[in-house]
Amino acid sequence: DAGITQSPRYKITETGRQVTLMCHQTWSHSYMFWYRQDLGHGLRLIYYSAAADITDKGEVPDGYVVSRSKTENFPLTLESATRSQTSVYFCASRVGGLGQTQYFGPGTRLLVL
Amino acid sequence: RKEVEQDPGPFNVPEGATVAFNCTYSNSASQSFFWYRQDCRKEPKLLMSVYSSGNEDGRFTAQLNRASQYISLLIRDSKLSDSATYLCVVNGADSWGKLQFGAGTQVVVTP
Repeated sequence: DAGITQSPRYKITETGRQVTLMCHQTWSHSYMFWYRQDLGHGLRLIYYSAAADITDKGEVPDGYVVSRSKTENFPLTLESATRSQTSVYFCASRVGGLGQTQYFGPGTRLLVL
Repeated sequence: RKEVEQDPGPFNVPEGATVAFNCTYSNSASQSFFWYRQDCRKEPKLLMSVYSSGNEDGRFTAQLNRASQYISLLIRDSKLSDSATYLCVVNGADSWGKLQFGAGTQVVVTP
């Protein structure tokens, strides 16, 4: 049971480069989410998706792009990385709406130089 | 004002002791409440849901006070393995049930 996986686990990149973080879940959960976590802040929602081809912005979407052509994949792209995007990124999935348990991937630690 | 606020701690607790902490939330329409646990910046994992009447899961007890808009977590007979950051999580105002996360309360259990 693979659950929810993220790749790469660690990434170092330079300012201005495009970076794609991958997220894959094996449960066929409808909902998927991308969060970033920074010291002093809680998890902040970047983008979310309720189903394939349905995505919407979260709290901090600027500088990020998502797509969801298949239920199991939800890649997050940083179009032109900035130092302020250095963070830990967590992908999550959930089977349905209110009250359902949300499961997180192991995270990607991104450093932008 | 943040939607979910927590005392960051750390709460230093001797092994075997009891520790309790709260979080407050701003959205009176919130319907779902959870405590998640996070170890050393690893992924958060669900510890327990919080129900209106309060609920227990082993040594953990969660309470909800809707009138004052806070939830609490109590840990009895603390173990070294309970050392972690505890995230208070509340659903937001939208129909999709997007979750709002507190920044976490750090608990350190000492021998």
